[in-house]
Order: sequence, then structure tokens, then C-alpha cells
Amino acid sequence: EAGVVQSPRYKIIEKKQPVAFWCNPISGHNTLYWYRQNLGQGPELLIRYENEEAVDDSQLPKDRFSAERLKGVDSTLKIQPAELGDSAVYLCASSFTANTGELFFGEGSRLTVL
Amino acid sequence: GNSVTQMEGPVTLSEEAFLTINCTYTATGYPSLFWYVQYPGEGLQLLLKATKADDKGSNKGFEATYRKETTSFHLEKGSVQVSDSAVYFCALIVNTDKLIFGTGTRLQVFP
Repeated sequence: EAGVVQSPRYKIIEKKQPVAFWCNPISGHNTLYWYRQNLGQGPELLIRYENEEAVDDSQLPKDRFSAERLKGVDSTLKIQPAELGDSAVYLCASSFTANTGELFFGEGSRLTVL
Repeated sequence: GNSVTQMEGPVTLSEEAFLTINCTYTATGYPSLFWYVQYPGEGLQLLLKATKADDKGSNKGFEATYRKETTSFHLEKGSVQVSDSAVYFCALIVNTDKLIFGTGTRLQVFP
């Protein structure tokens, strides 16, 4: 069974440029999460989807970040414009049911903003 | 609020040494507790969990016991291997809230 797939693995951009990350969750997993992991820190939740609906986006900086999960499967996280402080690893995870704590993570997308 | 505190790393051990990584938590309510592991170049994966007081989670020779009286969930292994070198994250979830992670502890095991 395929795991959570993320792309790109690495992205280097200049500040003020846009960037997008893509995630394909495990088949059949209704819940999808985007986390941000700063260097030396634990992951922090940005947004959680139940199927197509964003049910927890309280930590998403909505002035520059946006996310979507069309058809309740793949998801895209976008940053526009990127700032230096956005440099981090963006993790996608999925689970069969919500908030059991048992998440399956992708390998992450490492963003460097110059 | 809910939070997790882990011992700072790196923890450096020789192969076959005994491992303890400390984790304490603060929670409103009754959390479920987890240890996740991140091997080099890989994504986070669940190592073990415990959902109520005095439960012991175990996997791959690792163990952790949910201690409500000390609000702790320390990770232990009797004999570490080089392949256990990774970053270990303690985490909790309370009711239907989000999974909250600690800052992670890097373990380095040398032959």
C-alpha cells in the first residue's frame, strides 16, 4: 500500500515568490492534515480536512497561506507571497478517522526562502 | 493549554546501552499519549501509544508507560542499536483536539 506522497521534496525560492505543495494521502483516509515543522521544533498543525471540508484552520496564516482539497483526496498548500520566516518543512499526514492521534506522514517538503 | 515537554538532545549512547528519553505533559482532560519517530530521510511514523493511565505502549523493543500521577510518558529501551538513531517526538491528543508534539529528542547510537 502506498504511503502519503508529497511533492516537491525540496524547494528554494526568493522572498515574495509564490510556492505550492501537493499531497496525496493514503487511499481511503478521509482526514488530511498539513503541519509545519520549523528547524529543531516539533510539527505544528496548520489545517485539518475532513473530506473536502476544512474543519480546523485556526493556525493557518490566512493572509498568505491557502489550502484546498478538491474531491476529498489530493490537497494543495499555497504560500503567496513567501517570507523568510516561512522556511520550514511542510508535512502532510492522513488518517482513516479524525483525531485518534494515529497519523501517517509523508516525507515532507522542505522550503527555503532566500 | 495542552503541551508536551521533552528532554533536550542529542542523546548519545553506545550500542547495547539502556535508553531513557523523558517526556512530561500538561493537559486539560485525559489525553492519549504517543511516541513518534523520524528516521533520517523519512517521514514521521507512530512508534507506540497509550490511551489511559497505567497503560504500557510497546513496539520494536521500545516501551513507555502512561503515568498520570507524574504526568509522564518516558520512552525506554533496554539495548539500543545503531539503527535506532533518529529523532523521537512525544505527543498528546485530548478529546477531539489536535495532536500536539514536543520539540523532539535526537538519539545518536554509536557502534
